[in-house]
Amino acid sequence: NAGVTQTPKFRVLKTGQSMTLLCAQDMNHEYMYWYRQDPGMGLRLIHYSVGEGTTAKGEVPDGYNVSRLKKQNFLLGLESAAPSQTSVYFCASSLFRRGQQPQHFGDGTRLSIL
Amino acid sequence: AQSVTQLDSHVSVSEGTPVLLRCNYSSSYSPSLFWYVQHPNKGLQLLLKYTSAATLVKGINGFEAEFKKSETSFHLTKPSAHMSDAAEYFCVVRVRTRQLTFGSGTQLTVLP
Repeated sequence: NAGVTQTPKFRVLKTGQSMTLLCAQDMNHEYMYWYRQDPGMGLRLIHYSVGEGTTAKGEVPDGYNVSRLKKQNFLLGLESAAPSQTSVYFCASSLFRRGQQPQHFGDGTRLSIL
Repeated sequence: AQSVTQLDSHVSVSEGTPVLLRCNYSSSYSPSLFWYVQHPNKGLQLLLKYTSAATLVKGINGFEAEFKKSETSFHLTKPSAHMSDAAEYFCVVRVRTRQLTFGSGTQLTVLP
């Protein structure tokens, strides 16, 4: 019962460094999402994908890029990390995007930018 | 547009007493509503969802929520709190195929 797996779980970066967060799901879901969680703000959508080879911007896409080369994987990239990107990042997936379909979440990646 | 407001950022209850976490929503169309729970250092887990089939929705771990269209509310309740219920709870709304909109969360503390 792996569900949604995120790697790494923790990371500390220096300002200006780059890194990629990996999300993998084994539920054959079409839709995948990247969120960031900041205190008192709930979760905000960064980017999402409606299928292999497709990506779209969410609410807070600036400073991030994504790729969905394989249906089961969704990568989130930070090209030049900034302190404002210190956050907890969650990946989620869902079978469809229709209203009643819930999203399944990974355990998060805790990222600190110094 | 859609939005969701969780009326309390923190709620404290004693073990064995009822839990009430309040959520109001705003949407132009019939919404889908969810409650998620997040335990420390974990991802969000679905507690229950409103599917429009019934206004009283039962979820996991004894939680339930009632959809009240006239009050635009979807409050989460549990008759008797357990120590393991201590966590952060998120009310979430979606209209049609739009993205999820999350509330800011309610931190539930359960006192022994």
